[in-house]
Amino acid sequence: ETGVTQTPRHLVMGMTNKKSLKCEQHLGHNAMYWYKQSAKKPLELMFVYNFKEQTENNSVPSRFSPECPNSSHLFLHLHTLQPEDSALYLCASSQGTSASYNEQFFGPGTRLTVL
Amino acid sequence: GENVEQHPSTLSVQEGDSAVIKCTYSDSASNYFPWYKQELGKGPQLIIDIRSNVGEKKDQRIAVTLNKTAKHFSLHITETQPEDSAVYFCASKNSGNTPLVFGKGTRLSVIA
Repeated sequence: ETGVTQTPRHLVMGMTNKKSLKCEQHLGHNAMYWYKQSAKKPLELMFVYNFKEQTENNSVPSRFSPECPNSSHLFLHLHTLQPEDSALYLCASSQGTSASYNEQFFGPGTRLTVL
Repeated sequence: GENVEQHPSTLSVQEGDSAVIKCTYSDSASNYFPWYKQELGKGPQLIIDIRSNVGEKKDQRIAVTLNKTAKHFSLHITETQPEDSAVYFCASKNSGNTPLVFGKGTRLSVIA
């Protein structure tokens, strides 16, 4: 266990559905991240939050909407997704974002399938 | 921005042999280089990292080397075991408020 949990672990949704992914970290970290992992592609950083403030949005389509109510919780709200959005969505946390050696701890991911 | 290239994309070795994975980076300001291991059904987990003030670091069967002049770093696994089979990612970061940049990953298969 890395101290980062994600729910659900698997999600199948239609293109018209609205769903949310949840991430929680029990490490006392201040920064949280959403990544998208597709087959044969590098990990794609989507969003970064530091002290609940969004510090990075990597040109992510608006059908993905993040929410960070506090430093321990991170959500990714999904609506009107496309089949190409099917992927493993990973959450991570770290002590902060500015130090050069900021180990990131990853959750197990949510396997999302969009039909 | 930073660009990280990782090779090979797949690697098969016999149990007991060594495995080497190589990465190159483009940003000369990068000074932190972690390696992550991702097993099936799990998220990536840090296995070793190196900072730019050293050229080599070792932890049991795993070692990482860094050549700042050539801007490349490598992961070395000796006496490989079946449980080493996984996808390995390299990454780099500078000291600024920028995120880690990951390589595309190497799928290592250790054949018993």
